[in-house]
Amino acid sequence: DQQVKQNSPSLSVQEGRISILNCDYTNSMFDYFLWYKKYPAEGPTFLISISSIKDKNEDGRFTVFLNKSAKHLSLHIVPSQPGDSAVYFCAAGGAGTALIFGKGTTLSVSS
Amino acid sequence: DAGITQSPRYKITETGRQVTLMCHQTWSHSYMFWYRQDLGHGLRLIYYSAAADITDKGEVPDGYVVSRSKTENFPLTLESATRSQTSVYFCASRDGPRVTEAFFGQGTRLTVV
Repeated sequence: DQQVKQNSPSLSVQEGRISILNCDYTNSMFDYFLWYKKYPAEGPTFLISISSIKDKNEDGRFTVFLNKSAKHLSLHIVPSQPGDSAVYFCAAGGAGTALIFGKGTTLSVSS
Repeated sequence: DAGITQSPRYKITETGRQVTLMCHQTWSHSYMFWYRQDLGHGLRLIYYSAAADITDKGEVPDGYVVSRSKTENFPLTLESATRSQTSVYFCASRDGPRVTEAFFGQGTRLTVV
């Protein structure tokens, strides 16, 4: 059973607009959540994270929101740029455990 | 070079053969991980290690063996390769049990024919 779910396989956005990527989780023991970005033929790279004691974390154009009661997190990218086109993975974990990843969402930003 | 490196980058092997994928990190990170990426499945955890000589199964461990005799190396062995093990394999490491970001290698694309 999937513990981390990204229900939208793809998202298309115009340059300059907001991109919102969503993620749901089922394991209440998760206390740290991360977003990774992946380009073709490269390894995933860390983008932004949030711990369960917070509900928002911002880093430049990227903001992650966490709603613990709904077991839901989202990544907002504002403004979106063509270079943001990639696969975005949501991941979650707890102390001493490995990260569990979702299936990913492919973001396409058109100019 | 500093960082985490995987070898080989590409590998073609035959069904039934044993193959080992190598992973080496220079940060002395205690935790290391192996994931496989498949279309429609995202990244799935195969095995991970919290320290030298300590390993644990992930979501999809069947058909794989790992060892960790040295902190910096975490090889993944397919004992008898099957076509279903055709995938892109990623190794990652992180510094300690706190769930901070893990750093990934560039991946090994394995094809089993």
